[in-house]
Amino acid sequence: EPEVTQTPSHQVTQMGQEVILRCVPISNHLYFYWYRQILGQKVEFLVSFYNNEISEKSEIFDDQFSVERPDGSNFTLKIRSTKLEDSAMYFCASSEARGFNGYTFGSGTRLTVV
Amino acid sequence: KQEVTQIPAALSVPEGENLVLNCSFTDSAIYNLQWFRQDPGKGLTSLLLIQSSQREQTSGRLNASLDKSSGRSTLYIAASQPGDSATYLCAVRFNTDKLIFGTGTRLQVFP
Repeated sequence: EPEVTQTPSHQVTQMGQEVILRCVPISNHLYFYWYRQILGQKVEFLVSFYNNEISEKSEIFDDQFSVERPDGSNFTLKIRSTKLEDSAMYFCASSEARGFNGYTFGSGTRLTVV
Repeated sequence: KQEVTQIPAALSVPEGENLVLNCSFTDSAIYNLQWFRQDPGKGLTSLLLIQSSQREQTSGRLNASLDKSSGRSTLYIAASQPGDSATYLCAVRFNTDKLIFGTGTRLQVFP
């Protein structure tokens, strides 16, 4: 069964550093998403991306965050200057038809900011 | 505001029991609802997807029902096993292309 692949599985970074989280969505999917889950809390939507543009973003997705599809397979989330409160599990997801047939999630990247 | 709530927050049962996990949502204008399983520190595994036009979906020992008018979905797990121990998340696609998640039900099935 097709999978969404995320790397790295765990990243530790110092406060103020830039991090890039990487995702390879399912190959025939056109819609891409990032979510995050702070330990013990709900999974929260960050951003959706289609046709090389952000479709929607949440209040969390401020100027410190950016997304990019640098080539035909990768989808990245960049955090420019990490804060302690950015520590969370970050999930990438993709869908074929804007979620009408459901979403497939990756296994996540655990980001720890120290 | 569109919200998703799950009860109970935690459940601990002996092996073999049939279980009901509940999910409620505030807006009946949903496109679909997806149930996920999350093991500790791991990703989200999709279990079942119910479209707004459907009333239930089944996969193996799992059955999910949807009642849009009352804003509820239930996940039935038949003959529970220790391997079913995980957190179960309900997530709703409302009128925008994103999922709104509930807080989850943490299930422990003991032998």
